[in-house]
Amino acid sequence: GQQVMQIPQYQHVQEGEDFTTYCNSSTTLSNIQWYKQRPGGHPVFLIQLVKSGEVKKQKRLTFQFGEAKKNSSLHITATQTTDVGTYFCAGGADKLIFGTGTRLQVFP
Amino acid sequence: ETGVTQTPRHLVMGMTNKKSLKCEQHLGHNAMYWYKQSAKKPLELMFVYNFKEQTENNSVPSRFSPECPNSSHLFLHLHTLQPEDSALYLCASSQDHSQGAFSYEQYFGPGTRLTVT
Repeated sequence: GQQVMQIPQYQHVQEGEDFTTYCNSSTTLSNIQWYKQRPGGHPVFLIQLVKSGEVKKQKRLTFQFGEAKKNSSLHITATQTTDVGTYFCAGGADKLIFGTGTRLQVFP
Repeated sequence: ETGVTQTPRHLVMGMTNKKSLKCEQHLGHNAMYWYKQSAKKPLELMFVYNFKEQTENNSVPSRFSPECPNSSHLFLHLHTLQPEDSALYLCASSQDHSQGAFSYEQYFGPGTRLTVT
């Protein structure tokens, strides 16, 4: 069956450092979504990418959809303590498949 | 955020109890979902309802029984659970389940933290 994997599983960074999480699908996707879950919270939709090679930015967050539409990345520039949480990608096909998530910890 | 609400927020139940989780969405969406979130499997899809019809059951044990009386309400009936069923149960909704190969973004409720003793 379709699988969506994320790496790394965990990432600890010093505040101000950059952070990247990668998402890989076993099949071609029609769209990819990113969600953030704060500790003790629930997943919250961040953004959606649809086009091959698409890049979108939200302040310090940059999202990219691969040319083959099988992978995606989320890059955070100059992390802050408010970035702490688990970031999930979700690949869209005939249904939405959530990735395994990357837990980000930011030390002040 | 009050688009998707869930009750109760916390639940402790014995293995012989029967309880129900409730989810309500105020977004006018047509699709609703139940997910199980635990340390072992971050987000595990359980059931999908689209226009009140169940469209997906991810091999969930029969001790979990979903009910969707209308597009705004979703229940998860629990009976004779096991300790390994302890987890955060999340409800979500989306405009539709999918349109062809395109999947819509999902809006999650705060979840019910379930502990089975």
